[in-house]
Amino acid sequence: DAGVIQSPRHEVTEMGQEVTLRCKPISGHNSLFWYRQTMMRGLELLIYFNNNVPIDDSGMPEDRFSAKMPNASFSTLKIQPSEPRDSAVYFCASRVYGVDSPLHFGNGTRLTVT
Amino acid sequence: AQTVTQSQPEMSVQEAETVTLSCTYDTSESDYYLFWYKQPPSRQMILVIRQEAYKQQNATENRFSVNFQKAAKSFSLKISDSQLGDAAMYFCASRTQGGSEKLVFGKGTKLTVNP
Repeated sequence: DAGVIQSPRHEVTEMGQEVTLRCKPISGHNSLFWYRQTMMRGLELLIYFNNNVPIDDSGMPEDRFSAKMPNASFSTLKIQPSEPRDSAVYFCASRVYGVDSPLHFGNGTRLTVT
Repeated sequence: AQTVTQSQPEMSVQEAETVTLSCTYDTSESDYYLFWYKQPPSRQMILVIRQEAYKQQNATENRFSVNFQKAAKSFSLKISDSQLGDAAMYFCASRTQGGSEKLVFGKGTKLTVNP
């Protein structure tokens, strides 16, 4: 079991650039979550998918953020254009929906927007 | 809506001593789970302990135990015989069973262990 895989681990970009964060959930997991962690706001749920379908995106801060899950083994979180206030650690996590299963986290992507 | 509140931004404990981290939550659901996660400086999120709301018995995992007070909606974490490796951010979280099943976190408590 390789766990939830996120890439890149670190991303530094300039304001205005497009940023794409990637996530591969654990095989067999059908629920995927994107979280953002900052000192001020803690861990915020941005969006989550069940069976590749977005269920709740009310946590997405604004239209600059978008997320997709084209298949069961891959998801992206895109920020376009990026701003300095987007600097944070972004976590992807997955689990099996509908049963008593724990949430497994990836190691996160630390995004710095200058 | 689910909410989780951790009122202690920081705590410290002497090595080998016991410390309790506080957490309160609010949910309208009857079937839910509560969790404590540990986040060391490596930023990996590690599940420490979990509690099913329908169970009255408090969960225990080695040196970690919880005090679950359902009526008060309180879920504190007790760490016994604290070790230097316990130093980390600790997050309390809740999840409903059925429905959205999304995990909602508190803002965390930073635990320092003094040698």
